[in-house]
Amino acid sequence: GAGVSQSPSNKVTEKGKDVELRCDPISGHTALYWYRQSLGQGLEFLIYFQGNSAPDKSGLPSDRFSAERTGGSVSTLTIQRTQQEDSAVYLCASSLGAGAPLGNTIYFGEGSWLTVV
Amino acid sequence: AQSVTQLGSHVSVSEGALVLLRCNYSSSVPPYLFWYVQYPNQGLQLLLKYTSAATLVKGINGFEAEFKKSETSFHLTKPSAHMRDAAEYFCAVSDRRAAGNKLTFGGGTRVLVKP
Repeated sequence: GAGVSQSPSNKVTEKGKDVELRCDPISGHTALYWYRQSLGQGLEFLIYFQGNSAPDKSGLPSDRFSAERTGGSVSTLTIQRTQQEDSAVYLCASSLGAGAPLGNTIYFGEGSWLTVV
Repeated sequence: AQSVTQLGSHVSVSEGALVLLRCNYSSSVPPYLFWYVQYPNQGLQLLLKYTSAATLVKGINGFEAEFKKSETSFHLTKPSAHMRDAAEYFCAVSDRRAAGNKLTFGGGTRVLVKP
């Protein structure tokens, strides 16, 4: 597609349930990012994938959060045993990766709005 | 570690007036600098970025920003506000020494444009 695509756009889940959020990056972009946007914490980096390299997981807030990227394209962010504080907008982004100059543009999707009740 | 401070979480301007959004960063080495805009219920859209060329950067929608190393600032301006400029604006930095382009964001400034 033309832009970064995320699904679902909205998700309401019960506390304790697992959720999966999907991201389809821009075609040809080897770098993929997940960010979280919440009222209390602003925009926070979660995880970064670059090609076949080991992901940078330094922003994941707890071991309930995990992400994978299959075939160097689509990524899934999984939150296990959701808590109310996980309620936020989860933004996926992509950019040209290795071989492109640093500082290149990162393109964001419209986000997945997660509400944990 | 890098950090970004945006002065003022809310700014109100009249249509046609100057828009000035302040951004200061903390980094031992001048980082890459970005301004993003977020319209209601939408994702982030890049307005402009500074990498290493001219210190005055022009972006989309009539916005521009000036990198001032001595002041560790990257303030965003627009000479004449339009109603469509009502949105939230985020300043962000990435470490030019690091692999990848992880962005560290400021807290955001919400702009209200009054008719």
